[in-house]
Amino acid sequence: GAVVSQHPSWVICKSGTSVKIECRSLDFQATTMFWYRQFPKQSLMLMATSNEGSKATYEQGVEKDKFLINHASLTLSTLTVTSAHPEDSSFYICSPLGYNEQFFGPGTRLTVL
Amino acid sequence: DAKTTQPPSMDCAEGRAANLPCNHSTISGNEYVYWYRQIHSQGPQYIIHGLKNNETNEMASLIITEDRKSSTLILPHATLRDTAVYYCIVRVYRNQGGKLIFGQGTELSVKP
Repeated sequence: GAVVSQHPSWVICKSGTSVKIECRSLDFQATTMFWYRQFPKQSLMLMATSNEGSKATYEQGVEKDKFLINHASLTLSTLTVTSAHPEDSSFYICSPLGYNEQFFGPGTRLTVL
Repeated sequence: DAKTTQPPSMDCAEGRAANLPCNHSTISGNEYVYWYRQIHSQGPQYIIHGLKNNETNEMASLIITEDRKSSTLILPHATLRDTAVYYCIVRVYRNQGGKLIFGQGTELSVKP
């Protein structure tokens, strides 16, 4: 159980474009979703927390207008990186909360040229 | 949530036990110890968690000291596939689940 998918698994885009990352919990419902990012050789950093149907709560230093999070259903959450720049290149990981435990998606590697 | 301290890296010979230490001297009475690992370019994988008793599952054993200020994750027979970064995290088990805050972890290299 507790299968989480992310799409795409990797994406390359030009600077200034927007990229949407989807996260699905395939066999459970997640009322809460956490989004992390990870730069090379670094640990995971929590970006934001969202509850289904509510606005996301962002960690200090994370721009809410740049990283748009939508958690419209209990099985789908999206993270949109708007006007991406090379410094946004990172590994993005979603983490839905189910059965009072956090599960993790396989991650999406974003490269902005 | 309490902070943890782990050695940045460790080596282990294939087939031997890997013992990964973690210090969490400021842990509170209602905080659990969780272990996750992350194989390169993948999402973290849950290993085990415990409150105060030692725990064992099919992947590993978790030994928590009596004062709960430190713990050790034991992989009994390490294989090359166990090469990963191992994260020790302490958190409160809240109604909605406490968000997991990752430290730097221990990079375990299992060598043939």
